[in-house]
Amino acid sequence: SQQGEEDPQALSIQEGENATMNCSYKTSINNLQWYRQNSGRGLVHLILIRSNEREKHSGRLRVTLDTSKKSSSLLITASRAADTASYFCVNSNSGYALNFGKGTSLLVTP
Amino acid sequence: DVKVTQSSRYLVKRTGEKVFLECVQDMDHENMFWYRQDPGLGLRLIYFSYDVKMKEKGDIPEGYSVSREKKERFSLILESASTNQTSMYLCASSSPSRNNSPLHFGNGTRLTVT
Repeated sequence: SQQGEEDPQALSIQEGENATMNCSYKTSINNLQWYRQNSGRGLVHLILIRSNEREKHSGRLRVTLDTSKKSSSLLITASRAADTASYFCVNSNSGYALNFGKGTSLLVTP
Repeated sequence: DVKVTQSSRYLVKRTGEKVFLECVQDMDHENMFWYRQDPGLGLRLIYFSYDVKMKEKGDIPEGYSVSREKKERFSLILESASTNQTSMYLCASSSPSRNNSPLHFGNGTRLTVT
């Protein structure tokens, strides 16, 4: 399975704080992707990091990848209430389909 | 922007009914997917298709079938709906690059089978 496993399952922080979510996987990968899902909606692609990259930034998002540890982290800096959502990582190997884990549920309170 | 449209946001059906969930994408994507999402179980892949008339089983295909007669449309069929198929169903599409293409999701169909 190419399923990623997110940690923690739930995270609660205050606005302005940073949020860090972790992802572990078991197989070798071509890339790893992070998605966000707002309550009751579809998933939205956030960022893709390739296996030969170690760090990638997009706005307030910072993703790191450690292929030796088979892990990735997503950092959201200066969080806002609008960042409240579930976050999923998914890794891609050679197949068409991506298998998602259970995600990290992030709550950002004012 | 890619748009993936699922025909219904909410659907209520009775046990034993044949149910069709429709998904249309407007970006000429080769790949299309159906997932279901349940609390505590995350997203699970039901079926996917990488070309017209092609289909592949995902992790949980039992009780479902799919149809891909046109490139832009991917239908999920519940042959005889059961209460354990009550769930959120998510359709997604991606471009032909197998490994490096993000998925674009629709907003989901929340199906209740009574």
